[in-house]
Amino acid sequence: DAGVIQSPRHEVTEMGQEVTLRCKPISGHDYLFWYRQTMMRGLELLIYFNNNVPIDDSGMPEDRFSAKMPNASFSTLKIQPSEPRDSAVYFCASSPTNYGYTFGSGTRLTVV
Amino acid sequence: DAKTTQPPSMDCAEGRAANLPCNHSTISGNEYVYWYRQIHSQGPQYIIHGLKNNETNEMASLIITEDRKSSTLILPHATLRDTAVYYCIVRVHGGSNYKLTFGKGTLLTVNP
Repeated sequence: DAGVIQSPRHEVTEMGQEVTLRCKPISGHDYLFWYRQTMMRGLELLIYFNNNVPIDDSGMPEDRFSAKMPNASFSTLKIQPSEPRDSAVYFCASSPTNYGYTFGSGTRLTVV
Repeated sequence: DAKTTQPPSMDCAEGRAANLPCNHSTISGNEYVYWYRQIHSQGPQYIIHGLKNNETNEMASLIITEDRKSSTLILPHATLRDTAVYYCIVRVHGGSNYKLTFGKGTLLTVNP
């Protein structure tokens, strides 16, 4: 089991550019979560899916952020246009029902 | 809307037991206590969870008080690799809310 796989590991982009972060959850996990971590705000839940359907996106900061899960093995988090304040580490996690999450290694995003 | 209270930091000598406390005085009857840790620059890692009985696995033991208002995570023989931020979280099972909300956690430093 390769765990939750995120790509890229690091992303540096210029303000105004579109950024796409990718996540492959663990096979068989029903739930997928996107978190963002900054020094100021800690770990924040952005959105989560159950069986590929978005359940709660109340943590998505603005309309510039969007997330999709076209199938059980792939999810994307897109930021368009990106801003310097979006700089953070973005984590994807997956979970079976009523159990602990498995987090990926994260994508460190820097917007300059 | 933090539902748990943890000390911001603790120290422990290598080889000794590390006992990390958590207060959750407003916990509901259907909420479980979860513990995660985050080693620097990595994604959070699930450790253990429980409802009211004490639990033990290969990583740690979880002791929950009879009134369920507090718990203690025990790392029986701490090593330098256990230096991390430890998060105590309460979470329901069942229903539609599968969110994990992370607080600030406890920075455990294991000293040689």
